[in-house]
Amino acid sequence: GDSVTQMEGPVTLSEEAFLTINCTYTATGYPSLFWYVQYPGEGLQLLLKATKADDKGSNKGFEATYRKETTSFHLEKGSVQVSDSAVYFCAEYNFNKFYFGSGTKLNVKP
Amino acid sequence: DTAVSQTPKYLVTQMGNDKSIKCEQNLGHDTMYWYKQDSKKFLKIMFSYNNKELIINETVPNRFSPKSPDKAHLNLHINSLELGDSAVYFCASSQASWRDSPLHFGNGTRLTVT
Repeated sequence: GDSVTQMEGPVTLSEEAFLTINCTYTATGYPSLFWYVQYPGEGLQLLLKATKADDKGSNKGFEATYRKETTSFHLEKGSVQVSDSAVYFCAEYNFNKFYFGSGTKLNVKP
Repeated sequence: DTAVSQTPKYLVTQMGNDKSIKCEQNLGHDTMYWYKQDSKKFLKIMFSYNNKELIINETVPNRFSPKSPDKAHLNLHINSLELGDSAVYFCASSQASWRDSPLHFGNGTRLTVT
């Protein structure tokens, strides 16, 4: 079946550093891809999405590009802030089902 | 005007008890879900209802019984609670007929079984 793999955390960065969190998926066909963010004590919130190959999703300075040739949807941000500290989840939607990665915790230090 | 709301936020109970968690969404979505998140943040789908019809029923003990009285509500009843049931349970909704419709999550119910 489908699965989503993302890099293990925690990832610890200093403020203003560049962020990459890798995500790959195994779905055949054309899934929709998402990144969610979970702040402590809260539910998951949609961060960005892309629904077809070469689409770029972006929000709050975060970006991810749907790469069908490498089945990847890596999350990037050019300059992280302390307030970006959270757990990030990559997910795909295919054949009426969502598949989530295991989450990557990001710690940003001042 | 919370989109997906679930109650209670915290639930502490003893082994063997029966408890329920309620969920409501005001987004007009046709599909609702229950997810379980363990202590390592891993998310596991438990159930999914589309227009009150059960469409996903993963390998979950039959002590867990979902009920959807209408498409805006999905409740979760758990019988004979066990220590291993301790987790955060998330309700979510989406418009499943749209392939780019994301999941909208509630803020979770932290269940602690002692």
